[in-house]
Amino acid sequence: AQSVTQLDSQVPVFEEAPVELRCNYSSSVSVYLFWYVQYPNQGLQLLLKYLSGSTLVKGINGFEAEFNKSQTSFHLRKPSVHISDTAEYFCAVRIYGGATNKLIFGTGTLLAVQP
Amino acid sequence: DTEVTQTPKHLVMGMTNKKSLKCEQHMGHRAMYWYKQKAKKPPELMFVYSYEKLSINESVPSRFSPECPNSSLLNLHLHALQPEDSALYLCASSHLLGVLAYNEQFFGPGTRLTVL
Repeated sequence: AQSVTQLDSQVPVFEEAPVELRCNYSSSVSVYLFWYVQYPNQGLQLLLKYLSGSTLVKGINGFEAEFNKSQTSFHLRKPSVHISDTAEYFCAVRIYGGATNKLIFGTGTLLAVQP
Repeated sequence: DTEVTQTPKHLVMGMTNKKSLKCEQHMGHRAMYWYKQKAKKPPELMFVYSYEKLSINESVPSRFSPECPNSSLLNLHLHALQPEDSALYLCASSHLLGVLAYNEQFFGPGTRLTVL
């Protein structure tokens, strides 16, 4: 069965510092992986996705993630964070189910950027 | 138009009320989803519609009744809810796998529901 693990429930970081949010997945088949961001009192917005090809994926707002098949990881990184990056970040894996699909989300990581 | 809209933004209802949540998209997506999200938790899938037919029901109580009247609209009818049903209800839409190799889901801003 496919699942996603986000070990860090909260990551505090100072403004302009680099950050890495960790995500590990388990799957016996090829995976499609996603990072979504949720700002307070808002819906989810797609940051980036890995479908195939280059293992380094660039997304919006300066974020990038690296797909590592041997370590079954898809960690999210940003070289320099801003106060406005404070939000909940969800890693997700797509479960294939015929014509439709299900997204299985990790438990989320709160990125708390401090001045 | 790459937007999923949801109305109302906030809803307060009593346990005997009947209300409906509405979701709309004009991206030509033929799959639409309802999720429930409790505070500090990830979204949990409730229902999936594909080609306006219910394809997945994640064992949701019958007090939640989904409806997909056409390819752009998705409703969630609420009746006799419990206080523990208070949550953010998110709608999403996507293409079906037959159209694209993947189906990125686009989410609406959600309806914040409070059941008294």
